[in-house]
Amino acid sequence: EAGVAQSPRYKIIEKRQSVAFWCNPISGHATLYWYQQILGQGPKLLIQFQNNGVVDDSQLPKDRFSAERLKGVDSTLKIQPAKLEDSAVYLCASSSPGPVRNEQFFGPGTRLTVL
Amino acid sequence: GQNIDQPTEMTATEGAIVQINCTYQTSGFNGLFWYQQHAGEAPTFLSYNVLDGLEEKGRFSSFLSRSKGYSYLLLKELQMKDSASYLCAVRGGGKLIFGQGTELSVKP
Repeated sequence: EAGVAQSPRYKIIEKRQSVAFWCNPISGHATLYWYQQILGQGPKLLIQFQNNGVVDDSQLPKDRFSAERLKGVDSTLKIQPAKLEDSAVYLCASSSPGPVRNEQFFGPGTRLTVL
Repeated sequence: GQNIDQPTEMTATEGAIVQINCTYQTSGFNGLFWYQQHAGEAPTFLSYNVLDGLEEKGRFSSFLSRSKGYSYLLLKELQMKDSASYLCAVRGGGKLIFGQGTELSVKP
């Protein structure tokens, strides 16, 4: 079974530029998550999709971040314009409804450096 | 509010046993997860507890006390490859909240 795919793996941009990340979840997983992980911290949820609908985007800085999952499969996360404090690893995860555990499977992440 | 606390760093010796503690306060509780994250890699699932007690899986065990808001991850027969960050995460209110992670260094 293929895992969660993300691209690019690394991105370096200057502040005020825009950037987009792509994620393809595990086949059949209805729920997709985007996390931001700053160095030395745990992942922080930015947005959660159930199929193509947003379940939770309470921690997404909506003035500069946007995300979509138009066909309920792959997703893109965009930052426009980027700030220095956006330097982090952006992790995508997916999960499938299960009886109890329903753990999340993570992709390799995109490491963003904003100069 | 929601808060998860775990030690920032721990050091242990190869072959030994180490216990990583996690305390939490969340609105609603629907399970506690432990993830392992090697430097530069994605978190990978280790264990899940939703009822009080001990769950054992090979060299790894995880314990939960819901009344105390407390969990620990026990790693036995430590190997060098166990050097990683260990993330405690609590599911509540439909979302997974992660602690900051405990950086474990295993020394020969």
